[in-house]
Amino acid sequence: YELTQSPSVSVSPGRTAWITCSGDALPNQYAYWYQQKAGQAPVLVIYKDTERPSGISERFSGSTSGTTSTLTISGAQAEDEADYYCQSSDSGGTYVVFGGGTKLTVL
Amino acid sequence: EVRLVESGGGLAQPGGSLRLSCAASGFSFFTYSMTWVRQAPGKGLQWVSTISDSGESTNYADSVKGRFTISRANSFDKLYLQMNSLRPEDSAIYFCTRGGFCGGGTCFPLDFWGQGVLVSVSS
Repeated sequence: YELTQSPSVSVSPGRTAWITCSGDALPNQYAYWYQQKAGQAPVLVIYKDTERPSGISERFSGSTSGTTSTLTISGAQAEDEADYYCQSSDSGGTYVVFGGGTKLTVL
Repeated sequence: EVRLVESGGGLAQPGGSLRLSCAASGFSFFTYSMTWVRQAPGKGLQWVSTISDSGESTNYADSVKGRFTISRANSFDKLYLQMNSLRPEDSAIYFCTRGGFCGGGTCFPLDFWGQGVLVSVSS
């Protein structure tokens, strides 16, 4: 089972960035999103499609429609430049699956 | 404060073994599933293995099944990954994470991560 992400997305400071993740099981399995800055461990930014952990900026939001989940970053800032990974489970809901990651560039 | 600290990484020869450990603190370890995730240099995240809170249920990626064994010692707040028959493609940073057990259409999120430990497999 695979989750497909675009390799890269660019956004101008202050604008909105959309990072998508496609997978056949997404209508039935939740999506999770992680931010990984260079040289650091990943950080959970969205869970269960739309929920934001405490301490995560309100500029981060998530949604799912059909087989595509989307991470939206509003008012992008230089500090948002990172790799973003979506995660879900296989169609049987048994094990963790990661997307290939999307590199967000803010310029 | 939740802390996950990995140890046990290093250089191993192909066919060799390593045992990774993860020391957990700041939460009730025995109530959480735990997961190992790895990341090869310059590559994306790859799920390796998950263990339930009690340790009774485990899952493995096909690429490590039969070679790696995940276990935990709830009395000591420790998570382990025994890695045998190592291959060069197992070279990666290995992250200890909290959560990850999947069932009933949902997974527990990987809500805390350690800083990772480097494993290199080379002759």
